[in-house]
Amino acid sequence: NAGVMQNPRHLVRRRGQEARLRCSPMKGHSHVYWYRQLPEEGLKFMVYLQKENIIDESGMPKERFSAEFPKEGPSILRIQQVVRGDSAAYFCASSPYAQTYGYTFGSGTRLTVV
Amino acid sequence: QQQVKQSPQSLIVQKGGISIINCAYENTAFDYFPWYQQFPGKGPALLIAIRPDVSEKKEGRFTISFNKSAKQFSLHIMDSQPGDSATYFCAASNSGAQKLVFGQGTRLTINP
Repeated sequence: NAGVMQNPRHLVRRRGQEARLRCSPMKGHSHVYWYRQLPEEGLKFMVYLQKENIIDESGMPKERFSAEFPKEGPSILRIQQVVRGDSAAYFCASSPYAQTYGYTFGSGTRLTVV
Repeated sequence: QQQVKQSPQSLIVQKGGISIINCAYENTAFDYFPWYQQFPGKGPALLIAIRPDVSEKKEGRFTISFNKSAKQFSLHIMDSQPGDSATYFCAASNSGAQKLVFGQGTRLTINP
């Protein structure tokens, strides 16, 4: 049973481009969470999704950021018109429950905006 | 109120020594306190977790001590080994919430 799969592992984008980060949850997990880790900081919650639904997006920046978890396929975190401040590691976690104690994290996508 | 404060930021311990990392929280609704271990280039992995109905939980060389009245909890790593060198994060959440609030992290180095 593969773990939480994130791709790409590294992504370089120029300012103004779009970044798409993908997360495939563990088999049987229907709850997906996205976190952002800025350099030398802890992880900060961004959004919680179930299949086809956004449950909690209280940590998402109001502009340029969006997330989806379609019925088929991976969850996508989309950042439009990236700026240097978006450079960070983005981690996805999945869980079989709507509870934090079931979390399994992926290895993350390191986004660098140049 | 949603913050979890972690200290120290970095810690160097000799092999065989005890590593101690501390966290403090404000939100009394928090009822789940996990510790995560993160190696460079990897995602956080759950190490050990505790709920506030117990004051201590031990798993192998790792122990969580929990002080509900002081709103503090700590991770103790006994007989620290070079392989324990990693960044450690404490976190907290409350029932019904699906998100974790993380501390700032502690970079632990175990010298051989």
